[in-house]
Amino acid sequence: DQQVKQNSPSLSVQEGRISILNCDYTNSMFDYFLWYKKYPAEGPTFLISISSIKDKNEDGRFTVFLNKSAKHLSLHIVPSQPGDSAVYFCAASDSGNTPLVFGKGTRLSVIA
Amino acid sequence: GEEVAQTPKHLVRGEGQKAKLYCAPIKGHSYVFWYQQVLKNEFKFLISFQNENVFDETGMPKERFSAKCLPNSPCSLEIQATKLEDSAVYFCASSQLGGRGYTFGSGTRLTVV
Repeated sequence: DQQVKQNSPSLSVQEGRISILNCDYTNSMFDYFLWYKKYPAEGPTFLISISSIKDKNEDGRFTVFLNKSAKHLSLHIVPSQPGDSAVYFCAASDSGNTPLVFGKGTRLSVIA
Repeated sequence: GEEVAQTPKHLVRGEGQKAKLYCAPIKGHSYVFWYQQVLKNEFKFLISFQNENVFDETGMPKERFSAKCLPNSPCSLEIQATKLEDSAVYFCASSQLGGRGYTFGSGTRLTVV
């Protein structure tokens, strides 16, 4: 039973346009959500997070939106750049100490 | 240091051999996590430590897998009698606050032949 789902395995976007990556979750106890970016042969790197008390968090070109009633979050990247091409993982936790639960990732390709 | 250091980067073992992977967490981070990533898919949680104590081992296979975090030593993940299905990339991560803001190492790719 997958608690964190990223239903799009891949996404292609033109440089300069907006990239929208989606993530759904089933566990209503999750209260903290993160996005990680992963390049080949490297570990995931933290990108941005959001607590369940907020519905939006912005950091430069990256914005995460949280819709608790729909159990859905999304990552917006605007404008997209070729260096953003990577696999993006959505992750969630239900307290400060339980391990993060990850989705299967979405491969983003930004085309110049 | 400011990065999670995993060694070795690559490890090849014949079926039935032992594999041992190492992880040095960021200094000052109390929590260490091990994840297994098979076929570039989802990260499967294995075990976590708070300092040298096992914190959560709900993901650890009951047999063949063991892990330790001893004072003044890198943490380790050991697989006895490896099987083909153990082939994966094993990631270690550390954090100050448990489930928040992990920093990952670059992983150890284990290939069992």
